Amino acid sequence: EPEVTQTPSHQVTQMGQEVILRCVPISNHLYFYWYRQILGQKVEFLVSFYNNEISEKSEIFDDQFSVERPDGSNFTLKIRSTKLEDSAMYFCASSALPQSSYEQYFGPGTRLTVT
Amino acid sequence: AQTVTQSQPEMSVQEAETVTLSCTYDTSESDYYLFWYKQPPSRQMILVIRQEAYKQQNATENRFSVNFQKAAKSFSLKISDSQLGDAAMYFCAYQPSYDKVIFGPGTSLSVIP
Repeated sequence: EPEVTQTPSHQVTQMGQEVILRCVPISNHLYFYWYRQILGQKVEFLVSFYNNEISEKSEIFDDQFSVERPDGSNFTLKIRSTKLEDSAMYFCASSALPQSSYEQYFGPGTRLTVT
Repeated sequence: AQTVTQSQPEMSVQEAETVTLSCTYDTSESDYYLFWYKQPPSRQMILVIRQEAYKQQNATENRFSVNFQKAAKSFSLKISDSQLGDAAMYFCAYQPSYDKVIFGPGTSLSVIP
């Protein structure tokens, strides 16, 4: 069964460094998402991406964050200058083959630790 | 605003017994998905069961079943014959059409041997 994959599974970085989290959505899906879960809290929506542009972003998704689909398979989340409070689990999701279900499929997540 | 509420922050169940986790949601949409996700200590998000709002029949996956009450906007998860491996955080989630998934705050389930 097709699945969403994410790399790395765990990333440790120092405060102020740039990080790029990578996701490979399910082939032929059209909609892509990033979510964040700070330890002990609920999962929060960050951004959705469709047709090579951001379709919606939350108030969390400030200028430090950016997303990109650099080729036909990868979907990346970049944090330009990490802060301690960016430490969290980051989940990628994708959905929607044409004329099909809009259910989102989640990847296994990347645990980001900012020291 | 669309919200998902889980009123039980923590629950416990004896091994082999049955437990029900509660979830309510608020929406004005008529077409949407509802999900229960399990999150073990590894923090991966594992889909347990899904329900499409237009389907009246309650979804079932092995020992997991839901009680979907659309008019009441209620979506509870029943776990039968609980096993030690069922211990985890459980999140109820709602997804309207081509839109973001909204998660509840979670219920931490403990299984007592």
